[in-house]
Amino acid sequence: DVKVTQSSRYLVKRTGEKVFLECVQDMDHENMFWYRQDPGLGLRLIYFSYDVKMKEKGDIPEGYSVSREKKERFSLILESASTNQTSMYLCASSLLQGALNYGYTFGSGTRLTVV
Amino acid sequence: AQSVTQLGSHVSVSEGALVLLRCNYSSSVPPYLFWYVQYPNQGLQLLLKYTTGATLVKGINGFEAEFKKSETSFHLTKPSAHMSDAAEYFCAVSDAGKYGGSQGNLIFGKGTKLSVKP
Repeated sequence: DVKVTQSSRYLVKRTGEKVFLECVQDMDHENMFWYRQDPGLGLRLIYFSYDVKMKEKGDIPEGYSVSREKKERFSLILESASTNQTSMYLCASSLLQGALNYGYTFGSGTRLTVV
Repeated sequence: AQSVTQLGSHVSVSEGALVLLRCNYSSSVPPYLFWYVQYPNQGLQLLLKYTTGATLVKGINGFEAEFKKSETSFHLTKPSAHMSDAAEYFCAVSDAGKYGGSQGNLIFGKGTKLSVKP
């Protein structure tokens, strides 16, 4: 089974801190995604990547950046955390070819609280 | 643009009753459709998917969904609810994708929280 591992389940950070959320997958998937999940808003795509060193903005990229230096690792960076970035963050991965034949595999999520 | 509408943010059923979670989509391309389930404090898990072929799709845990093109719907059903089915359910549709075909991204609905009463 594909495993998508997010480094932290719970994080508490202070306003203005630089925050790194790490995601690692072990099945050589090309695609990786970062979503945030908020009650009543569902999943919103922040950034995604089709390949190493490649990134594309999703629907809500403001206040975030990403890094993909290795195929298996996709990092989400909050340059200066704010309270409105308190949320559940979900990482996912998929194949590039035939991605939609198999869907996405999700990590367990990181619940971030910014105080 | 592709979109997904899930009717009802909360659905409550009694144990043993029929579960029906509604999903309607819009898509300018032949859609790929998915249902995911999320248990408390966990990530999303694939329940079932429609890509091509048979329009009635069976998934895990006794769930199934039927793709109805004329109604642009992909409703999720289970004949008899169990307490362990209490979770949040997300419907998703593929977008057209940068490269087309099966390489699009998924667009998720806002989710439906299912409660099961004893």
